[in-house]
Amino acid sequence: DTGVSQNPRHKITKRGQNVTFRCDPISEHNRLYWYRQTLGQGPEFLTYFQNEAQLEKSRLLSDRFSAERPKGSFSTLEIQRTEQGDSAMYLCASSQGRAVNTEAFFGQGTRLTVV
Amino acid sequence: AQKITQTQPGMFVQEKEAVTLDCTYDTSDQSYGLFWYKQPSSGEMIFLIYQGSYDEQNATEGRYSLNFQKARKSANLVISASQLGDSAMYFCAMRGNFGNEKLTFGTGTRLTIIP
Repeated sequence: DTGVSQNPRHKITKRGQNVTFRCDPISEHNRLYWYRQTLGQGPEFLTYFQNEAQLEKSRLLSDRFSAERPKGSFSTLEIQRTEQGDSAMYLCASSQGRAVNTEAFFGQGTRLTVV
Repeated sequence: AQKITQTQPGMFVQEKEAVTLDCTYDTSDQSYGLFWYKQPSSGEMIFLIYQGSYDEQNATEGRYSLNFQKARKSANLVISASQLGDSAMYFCAMRGNFGNEKLTFGTGTRLTIIP
């Protein structure tokens, strides 16, 4: 297993278009997290899954954002009607378990630019 | 709610010197974990070191050590003998318990090592 994989690495889209990102976690990990990171800031939590169940969504996640994790494997994050403010790095992380010492492994991110 | 504060936006350090990156946190959880991640310009978040709230000894991992002062709610990262490859963004993060299980990040410190 080569770690957490995110595709695409870069996405340029026109304002108003829909985009979808994919995250493939480490295979035995039951938890999957999505974060958004804007320039010069730390990652901000968006949502997370335990297996296929979406357990928490941030208030940052507007109605235009939706995430799925069918069958508890890969996950997709869709942004509808993109806005320039959606331009950011979208990071995916996975972990096994819920203990406080559980390390989260991150992918290399998808950088979204909305023009 | 959990909060991480990193008050040093940027630091410049001479190669081979030691550097301390500051991190303070706030949580109502009794059990929590503190993490440091490194983010080079490539974007990937690299786990460096972990400290549990009940750990009596400060964590160490090679050139990294964590100066944990529970009463002051601080978890500073110390890098000894800095190298040019240490130049990156550094993020402090925490994970709590029962509803605070996601990682919460600070705003980061950009470390630049000067040859």
